[in-house]
Formats: sequence, structure tokens, C-alpha cells
Amino acid sequence: GDSVTQMEGPVTLSEEAFLTINCTYTATGYPSLFWYVQYPGEGLQLLLKATKADDKGSNKGFEATYRKETTSFHLEKGSVQVSDSAVYFCALSNAGGTSYGKLTFGQGTILTVHP
Amino acid sequence: GAGVSQSPSNKVTEKGKDVELRCDPISGHTALYWYRQSLGQGLEFLIYFQGNSAPDKSGLPSDRFSAERTGGSVSTLTIQRTQQEDSAVYLCASRPSSGNTIYFGEGSWLTVV
Repeated sequence: GDSVTQMEGPVTLSEEAFLTINCTYTATGYPSLFWYVQYPGEGLQLLLKATKADDKGSNKGFEATYRKETTSFHLEKGSVQVSDSAVYFCALSNAGGTSYGKLTFGQGTILTVHP
Repeated sequence: GAGVSQSPSNKVTEKGKDVELRCDPISGHTALYWYRQSLGQGLEFLIYFQGNSAPDKSGLPSDRFSAERTGGSVSTLTIQRTQQEDSAVYLCASRPSSGNTIYFGEGSWLTVV
């Protein structure tokens, strides 16, 4: 079945540091890929997505590129802020079958950014 | 409202009691999902409703768990004879008929004591 493997955390960075959170996936067909973020005390929010190979999703300074050859969707940000402290989830959605749009999530990576 | 609405936001219940969790999806969204988020287990898919089709119940962990969706809108997740391992945040999400982006509610935090 489909699966998502995320870089284990927690990740602790200083403000303005470069961030990479690795994500790889296993799926049949051509899934869509997502990053969701969960800020403290809040629900899951879509951060960015990519629907086909070589697409780059971007939002709030975060980027991730859909790499089919390496089955990866690594999240990057050039300069993190304290307000980026949250839990980040990589996820995929397969378009086929009876459960269209059903998301399979990675385990989540806790990011803490210090001033 | 504009987003997915869930209630209650917090529920503490005694082991063995039944609980009901409610989800009000975004207006017009045809698909509705329930997920569970617990420590050490990440986010687990529970059940999926799409229009009038039979729901995908493949993620329900036991027959103590059931869900219904009335009138294609509001959904209720019921857990019977709750156990301590049922303690988790139960997340509801919905998706429009076109596109594959899923929008989540803030969750219902269930604690079984």
C-alpha cells in the first residue's frame, strides 16, 4: 500500500537558519503530494502541494519539489522564523480507486525555532 | 461557518461509556473524512464518505467505532464502550467535488479515564 516516510525529529534551529525536512513516499500510480502544518493548539492546515512530477509547491517562503525519480518531496525554507515552530506532515493522495483524495500521512516532524 | 467545524473540542469520558463526536463540513463539500491523531501513531485514516456512495470504513480500528453522515452533510463518529487507548484527537476533514485538497477541522480531543 501507499506510505510516507518523514525525517524524524524533533528539529531545533536558530532563527534565520536553513530548513530541510525530508520526505519520501511509496505509491502506485501518480499521487499528489502535500505538506500540512499544525501550529500549537491549532488544526492541520495545508501548507503547499504538488500534483505532478517536477511541480514545485510554495507558500510562506516554504518550497517542495515533486521528484518522481527519487520519490521525494522534501520541504525547504531559506530562513526560518520563530513563528514557523510547528509540526509538519508530509502526505500523499492517490487519485485512483474508491477512496479518491484519501490522504496517507507521514509521522510528522516537530520543528522548534529559537530566537 | 467558513471552515470545518467539530464538537466538542474537548471530551473527558469514563472507560466503558459511549461518546459521539460531531463534524460539520464546509458547505458544499461532497467528501468527508475522519482521522485519528494519537501520540506515537501519527495520523490514522478512519473512514471516508463520498456523496451517496457506500463509505470506505477500512480504517476503523474495531467494531466499537462507527460513523454516519446524514443528508450528505453533518457526520457523527460514535465510539462505544470507550477504552483508554481510544484517547486521541479525532480530526474531521472535507473536500469539494473538484480538486483533491482536503481541509481539516481543529479536532475533538478525547480523553478516556
